[in-house]
Amino acid sequence: GAVVSQHPSRVICKSGTSVKIECRSLDFQATTMFWYRQFPKQSLMLMATSNEGSKATYEQGVEKDKFLINHASLTLSTLTVTSAHPEDSSFYICSASGQGGTNYGYTFGSGTRLTVV
Amino acid sequence: AQSVTQLDSQVPVFEEAPVELRCNYSSSVSVYLFWYVQYPNQGLQLLLKYLSGSTLVKGINGFEAEFNKSQTSFHLRKPSVHISDTAEYFCAVTPYSSASKIIFGSGTRLSIRP
Repeated sequence: GAVVSQHPSRVICKSGTSVKIECRSLDFQATTMFWYRQFPKQSLMLMATSNEGSKATYEQGVEKDKFLINHASLTLSTLTVTSAHPEDSSFYICSASGQGGTNYGYTFGSGTRLTVV
Repeated sequence: AQSVTQLDSQVPVFEEAPVELRCNYSSSVSVYLFWYVQYPNQGLQLLLKYLSGSTLVKGINGFEAEFNKSQTSFHLRKPSVHISDTAEYFCAVTPYSSASKIIFGSGTRLSIRP
């Protein structure tokens, strides 16, 4: 079945540094990838949608210069949190959709717990 | 625009009892419907989905859901729950397009008591 690998699963970084999170589709071509943020005991908030080879489309209120998304290939998308601050600490989840993926469903990565100290 | 309402934020149930998690949606266009489960510190796993056809959809782990167009509902049910079913459950919709964003409900925490 469709598998999405997300790394790292946990990361702790110092305030002011940047962190990159990778999302890979292992057995299908992900034409579209989505990045979500989840606060404790809350639902998933869509941050941005990226199509392979195009600029990401960010949701209202999400700073595109702070959350850099790259979708350079059909199997890899990255989210870079630049100049991270404690308020960026959260659970980040990617999902992928594309030919060979869950038909009209979305395969999710296992998430990345980011802690900024 | 679409929206999803999960009326119950928490549902406590005794082990081996039946459970129903409610989901209602609003949309001006036809949608696909999903239920996802999230275990602590993990991503989301697809339980089941409704695309078309039979309104009763069977998923993994013994769960099923029924699509009711007139009531715009997609309630999730299981006849007998286990401790391992303790998790967060999300109902979601997406309009008829293979790459449209998913709209999630606020989630229902299912806690199973022995």
